[in-house]
Amino acid sequence: QVRLVESGGGVVQPGRSLRLSCAASGFNFSSYGMHWVRQAPGKGLEWVAGVRHDGSNKDYVDSVKGRFTISRDNSKNTLYLQVNSLRAEDTAVYYCARAHTIFGVVIVEPFFDYWGQGTLVTVSS
Amino acid sequence: EIVLTQSPGTLSLSPGETATLSCRASQSVSSYYLAWYQQKPGQAPRLLIYGASSRATGIPDRISGSGSGTDFTLTISRLEPEDFAVYFCQQYGRSPMYTFGQGSKLEIK
Repeated sequence: QVRLVESGGGVVQPGRSLRLSCAASGFNFSSYGMHWVRQAPGKGLEWVAGVRHDGSNKDYVDSVKGRFTISRDNSKNTLYLQVNSLRAEDTAVYYCARAHTIFGVVIVEPFFDYWGQGTLVTVSS
Repeated sequence: EIVLTQSPGTLSLSPGETATLSCRASQSVSSYYLAWYQQKPGQAPRLLIYGASSRATGIPDRISGSGSGTDFTLTISRLEPEDFAVYFCQQYGRSPMYTFGQGSKLEIK
């Protein structure tokens, strides 16, 4: 069965960095777009970043551009999120999510069909 | 950016009743690109509906989605105890690639 397991969260001071990981199993990892979605305590969901199945294209929400970097290693079935220059407003549970990926004239990833359990990042001095 | 506004914020109903949750978009959204998720406390979101009206694997037919353009609806009939949760709608587009509604909480009356 599909399994996504995040790790790497923790308590970190403002301005510091972390690397989040998401280990995937149970499916052909290299055939799916992968994404990070976060949820601040008691708040809604916010898409953070995504990467194409082959790593060829990456996109970010404006608030993290220049600070966060998404990457993947298809040989290790692992997704990463390097988070730098952390701010208090980055405090959230970070979920790894698999995108339902449709290959056609263009690649479309319209929704997330599997989610990990999340890893909590707390930015505090 | 397409903003999704969900209503009501909180809906209080009893088991056996029908819940109707709304998701309104600030611009027209393709029905192919509108999804709904359920989230229970301490858990990750779970996909319920994609393409505005298609049920995800394992979702009972008591749960249905409808709508087009800027107005979408999630309907849950014959509410069961496990249905009481928070529901989010989501659209796929550009810049940002995905946006979510703020959520609707379905609570037991």
